[in-house]
Amino acid sequence: QKEVEQNSGPLSVPEGAIASLNCTYSDRVSQSFFWYRQYSGKSPELIMSIYSNGDKEDGRFTAQLNKASQYVSLLIRDSQPSDSATYLCAVKEDDDMRFGAGTRLTVKP
Amino acid sequence: KAGVTQTPRYLIKTRGQQVTLSCSPISGHRSVSWYQQTPGQGLQFLFEYFSETQRNKGNFPGRFSGRQFSNSRSEMNVSTLELGDSALYLCASSRIWGAQNTEAFFGQGTRLTVV
Repeated sequence: QKEVEQNSGPLSVPEGAIASLNCTYSDRVSQSFFWYRQYSGKSPELIMSIYSNGDKEDGRFTAQLNKASQYVSLLIRDSQPSDSATYLCAVKEDDDMRFGAGTRLTVKP
Repeated sequence: KAGVTQTPRYLIKTRGQQVTLSCSPISGHRSVSWYQQTPGQGLQFLFEYFSETQRNKGNFPGRFSGRQFSNSRSEMNVSTLELGDSALYLCASSRIWGAQNTEAFFGQGTRLTVV
């Protein structure tokens, strides 16, 4: 059974801090990795995709991938209250995409 | 560029009825996936369509079915509704199917309540 694991949280950080969200996956051949943000009552919104080992930066967001450790993370720098949401990790192999249960992030002013 | 459009946004149905939900993918996208999201189970994969063919199916009973039309629009149908079918149903559109490095974009979802 292929699994995608996330700490459900809630993760609480003060405004301006770095929020670190983690995700592990069980299938070694997974090749594509995505982070989605979902506000309460809304649909998931794609914020980052990463396909190769290392870091990928987009504004205040940095995705980190380590395929050897089967680990992908999302860093949010200078966290804002508007970043408060549930963050979903998704892992894809060929035509099979699986989601973690999500980590709820709260950024306190 | 228009995003993924799901209709209707909200629906209230009675147990035993059936329901049809619609999804129009992003222009040029040919793959459509459906998910059920509930507070307890998270995002559960229902099925995926590409070129009018079901390519992948999740672990849901046969009451859940879908189809895709030649213009890539997709519908899903749930028959004999049960209270447990109350959920947010999400459609995601991708450019192609079965390839790596293909991003999926979600519609706003249809919130189904079964009473």
